[in-house]
Amino acid sequence: DVKVTQSSRYLVKRTGEKVFLECVQDMDHENMFWYRQDPGLGLRLIYFSYDVKMKEKGDIPEGYSVSREKKERFSLILESASTNQTSMYLCASSLSPEGELFFGEGSRLTVL
Amino acid sequence: KNQVEQSPQSLIILEGKNCTLQCNYTVSPFSNLRWYKQDTGRGPVSLTIMTFSENTKSNGRYTATLDADTKQSSLHITASQLSDSASYICVVSNLGGGADGLTFGKGTHLIIQP
Repeated sequence: DVKVTQSSRYLVKRTGEKVFLECVQDMDHENMFWYRQDPGLGLRLIYFSYDVKMKEKGDIPEGYSVSREKKERFSLILESASTNQTSMYLCASSLSPEGELFFGEGSRLTVL
Repeated sequence: KNQVEQSPQSLIILEGKNCTLQCNYTVSPFSNLRWYKQDTGRGPVSLTIMTFSENTKSNGRYTATLDADTKQSSLHITASQLSDSASYICVVSNLGGGADGLTFGKGTHLIIQP
């Protein structure tokens, strides 16, 4: 069974803290994505990656960075968390850029 | 600008009843349209994909339709069950757009009452 695993389901952090959200997929997919999901706004693309060490900005990259050192792992980094980054973060992978997205279970981040 | 509009925003129906969710899009050029189901607190899961040449596709009690001329899709749920309570998200891909080419609707929140 294909799987995308996000390391933390729930996190509570303080303003200014550095936050790492990790995502691992076991499907040998080239493409990986980070989205955030907020009520009334739907899913918005933060960053994506087509290959190892490659990254592209999505629609809302401000305040975030990413790392893809290995094909199976895609990390989202909040250098200095702020309260407006409180959200549900979803990692996804796909075989092709326009293909089916396989999502992780999500990481719900609260920044106090 | 590419857009995907879903209606209704939310819907409450009784168990056993049928319902239809709508998705209108302005994405061009069109590649495919997917419906995802997202249970509360979980990640979305793909239900079905519609390509340009397909009008209807079924997945169990779920039936998706596509009218590429009017740029409309619907998801019909037959004989609803409590487990159908979820958000349903329509995602349209534009041809050659890559990851940037995915446009998400904001979803329809469906509640099935016993």
